[in-house]
Amino acid sequence: ETGVTQTPRHLVMGMTNKKSLKCEQHLGHNAMYWYKQSAKKPLELMFVYSLEERVENNSVPSRFSPECPNSSHLFLHLHTLQPEDSALYLCASSQLSGTVDEKLFFGSGTQLSVL
Amino acid sequence: TQLLEQSPQFLSIQEGENLTVYCNSSSVFSSLQWYRQEPGEGPVLLVTVVTGGEVKKLKRLTFQFGDARKDSSLHITAAQTGDTGLYLCAGPIQGAQKLVFGQGTRLTINP
Repeated sequence: ETGVTQTPRHLVMGMTNKKSLKCEQHLGHNAMYWYKQSAKKPLELMFVYSLEERVENNSVPSRFSPECPNSSHLFLHLHTLQPEDSALYLCASSQLSGTVDEKLFFGSGTQLSVL
Repeated sequence: TQLLEQSPQFLSIQEGENLTVYCNSSSVFSSLQWYRQEPGEGPVLLVTVVTGGEVKKLKRLTFQFGDARKDSSLHITAAQTGDTGLYLCAGPIQGAQKLVFGQGTRLTINP
């Protein structure tokens, strides 16, 4: 398999549930990202991991907890979410090189609905 | 804060027509990227423009970076239904390992 793979593609959860989103990249990249995409809002960066260390946390509520066990895998653990957290959650990877030509490769996303 | 504004937000045209969408900022960017996102999928990078005034062509798509590196445009010639999607521009935040995205132009090409 190639590229960036996200599972599940769709998730419906209640506000008291705990679930996890999984992302795997097969591109040999050294950075991974979680983005949130809501209707009528720009893509919002949530977390960045570079060489498995978290380098960015964009004031994301603690009910979202990322985990990066190695350079190929990224998880987003979810608990006690709110209905306004319903959105498309996108994982991306890139090869950080310090140049202006860095490119993001996105997965297909997890469409999350919180009831 | 470096922000990117895209216009129009929505555009619906007939197959065969030409169109231009825009990405504007009050800030200078070292580069700008254009992505296309189809329904049910993640964004896919189309092109990166780096030099002020640069023009890049990808088949029927022409991308231009403004001379001052504050804006970019995407022109599509003879649009096809396969061009339908959300077009996003993005630029790197100075001093940070991240991109800022515009809100996108949702393009629909009708047969």
